[in-house]
Amino acid sequence: DQQVKQNSPSLSVQEGRISILNCDYTNSMFDYFLWYKKYPAEGPTFLISISSIKDKNEDGRFTVFLNKSAKHLSLHIVPSQPGDSAVYFCAASEGGKGAQKLVFGQGTRLTINP
Amino acid sequence: DSGVTQTPKHLITATGQRVTLRCSPRSGDLSVYWYQQSLDQGLQFLIQYYNGEERAKGNILERFSAQQFPDLHSELNLSSLELGDSALYFCASSPQNRLGEQYFGPGTRLTVT
Repeated sequence: DQQVKQNSPSLSVQEGRISILNCDYTNSMFDYFLWYKKYPAEGPTFLISISSIKDKNEDGRFTVFLNKSAKHLSLHIVPSQPGDSAVYFCAASEGGKGAQKLVFGQGTRLTINP
Repeated sequence: DSGVTQTPKHLITATGQRVTLRCSPRSGDLSVYWYQQSLDQGLQFLIQYYNGEERAKGNILERFSAQQFPDLHSELNLSSLELGDSALYFCASSPQNRLGEQYFGPGTRLTVT
C-alpha cells in the first residue's frame, strides 16, 4: 500500500524556469510533510517541510504548497539551476514535528537543462 | 556533509552470512533511524532508536536487529542474508525537537552474492 506517491518518475526543466514536483498521499492522519533531495552516492538531504496547519512554506527558491482536501503537496523551485538536478523525495509523517517514522514516495528525478 | 557517518561504505558477502552496519549520529542528536533502499523500491523505514531505546518499528525483518549504544552510535545487524537483502542501507539522525527533519548518512551498499 503506497501511502505517499510521486507519480512522475522524471521531470526535465529548462534552466531559469520553474520546476514543479508533485506528491499525493492517502493517509489523512499525516500532518507533517517534507521534501528531500538526493544526489547519486549520497544520502538524502532535507530541503523544506510543512505542517498541516499551513498551506504554504517558503525558503529561498523553494516553496512547498499543501492542499489537504486534495491530499496533495507540491514543491516549486524558482528559478531552477543546474545544481538542482537530483532525485527529489516527498515524505510524510503523523504526530507533527515529534513524529518518528517517515513514509517516503518513490522519488522524482529532476533534470535541469542549460 | 550531514554529520552522520556510516561504515562500511560497501560490503559484499555471501548468502547465509551475517553483517553489521555501523552509524554515528550528528553530535547532539539522540534519535537514530535505519532505512533500506532497494533498486525497485523507495526508502523503507526499518527502525528508530531514541537515546538507547527502541522507539518505532517499520517493515524490519526478524532476521534484522539493531541497537543503540550509550555513546549513541547504532548498529544494524543483518543475518541469514538472502540475495534480496542487497540494497542501500541508510542511517539518519534528528534533532530532539525536530524529529521529522532527519539528516542522512552516505549509506552502506550491501551486495549479497
